[in-house]
Amino acid sequence: DTAVSQTPKYLVTQMGNDKSIKCEQNLGHDTMYWYKQDSKKFLKIMFSYNNKELIINETVPNRFSPKSPDKAHLNLHINSLELGDSAVYFCASSQGALGTVDGYTFGSGTRLTVV
Amino acid sequence: GEDVEQSLFLSVREGDSSVINCTYTDSSSTYLYWYKQEPGAGLQLLTYIFSNMDMKQDQRLTVLLNKKDKHLSLRIADTQTGDSAIYFCAERAGTALIFGKGTTLSVSS
Repeated sequence: DTAVSQTPKYLVTQMGNDKSIKCEQNLGHDTMYWYKQDSKKFLKIMFSYNNKELIINETVPNRFSPKSPDKAHLNLHINSLELGDSAVYFCASSQGALGTVDGYTFGSGTRLTVV
Repeated sequence: GEDVEQSLFLSVREGDSSVINCTYTDSSSTYLYWYKQEPGAGLQLLTYIFSNMDMKQDQRLTVLLNKKDKHLSLRIADTQTGDSAIYFCAERAGTALIFGKGTTLSVSS
């Protein structure tokens, strides 16, 4: 059983389109994250939800909107896609209490290509 | 804000030791982590160290922490071609992990 699963794995779309990426975790974790990895492999946090509540909202364009229907799911919707949105988007989860040792469990990533 | 720095590339021969270095800024970080990313895959947690430790050993991996200098290193003994990957150092800032830019380790036979 995959612990953190993202769909789709690959997404190729045209500029201006709206697309969603879905993430689900079956680990019982209470915190989920979206990270963006650019072409140079730099990883930056975008959002984090704890028990469906937004707790981290980094400086990203408001074309990006996360949605967490329940604590096992965190989806990412992107409006009006731009070429610069091309990247690999990683979902992750953790049992996120402050000070605990847990790292994150990552999904395998969604490679988004905007043409 | 928090920042984590790593050198971007390291090239070693099979059987040698690899040492990947990292510096971080947040002295209140309680845990520091090393993650490994193989091509086309997500990140896997390799090991972590609690901030009150100086060293942690786990089979071929040795983590050294110099809290005064905010310096973290990962040593891989007897490096194998299967160790070729990107290695990310990360510090915990609140509930988020802040990652370094990653060190690409290339192992030649």
